[in-house]
Amino acid sequence: GNSVTQMEGPVTLSEEAFLTINCTYTATGYPSLFWYVQYPGEGLQLLLKATKADDKGSNKGFEATYRKETTSFHLEKGSVQVSDSAVYFCALIIQGAQKLVFGQGTRLTINP
Amino acid sequence: DTGVSQDPRHKITKRGQNVTFRCDPISEHNRLYWYRQTLGQGPEFLTYFQNEAQLEKSRLLSDRFSAERPKGSFSTLEIQRTEQGDSAMYLCASSPSFLWDRQETQYFGPGTRLLVL
Repeated sequence: GNSVTQMEGPVTLSEEAFLTINCTYTATGYPSLFWYVQYPGEGLQLLLKATKADDKGSNKGFEATYRKETTSFHLEKGSVQVSDSAVYFCALIIQGAQKLVFGQGTRLTINP
Repeated sequence: DTGVSQDPRHKITKRGQNVTFRCDPISEHNRLYWYRQTLGQGPEFLTYFQNEAQLEKSRLLSDRFSAERPKGSFSTLEIQRTEQGDSAMYLCASSPSFLWDRQETQYFGPGTRLLVL
């Protein structure tokens, strides 16, 4: 089946640290990949996406590269801020399907 | 441009009662989705509509759950005879017409948090 596995949380970092949140996937077809973010008390917001192998999605200083050979889509940011504290979800959608398949989420806390 | 809205934002009910949630998608989005998110987990797909037609339902959507989108605009999700296990965040999302070669994104509302006592 289709599934997404994320790095276990919670993750706690100091401001300006480098961030990596690992995400790997299993897919029966050709997926598009997404990172969504959920700030406290708010709904899911799309952070970035990539629709084919070797594509790099980027937004707000975050980046993720679609790696088909390792079935991965790791999220990175060079220098995190307190305002990046949130829960991050990796997700996929298969060509021809309509449903997003999410990972379990990774809670990130950034300390000043 | 307003985003996806959901009402109510919070609902507390007693076991056995019926509840109904409403979702208003982004205007002109013809696809609408419902997901359920339990504490500490990622959202799980429940069902989706293209215009007024309900085209897919998850096995998670038991007989006590029913969703409608009568005029292809807003949607309602009703849970009958609620159980404590129904306590969760119910998320609605919408997207424009799906074209694989230009993968479109699902835009989520703030969710309705349900607590069944």
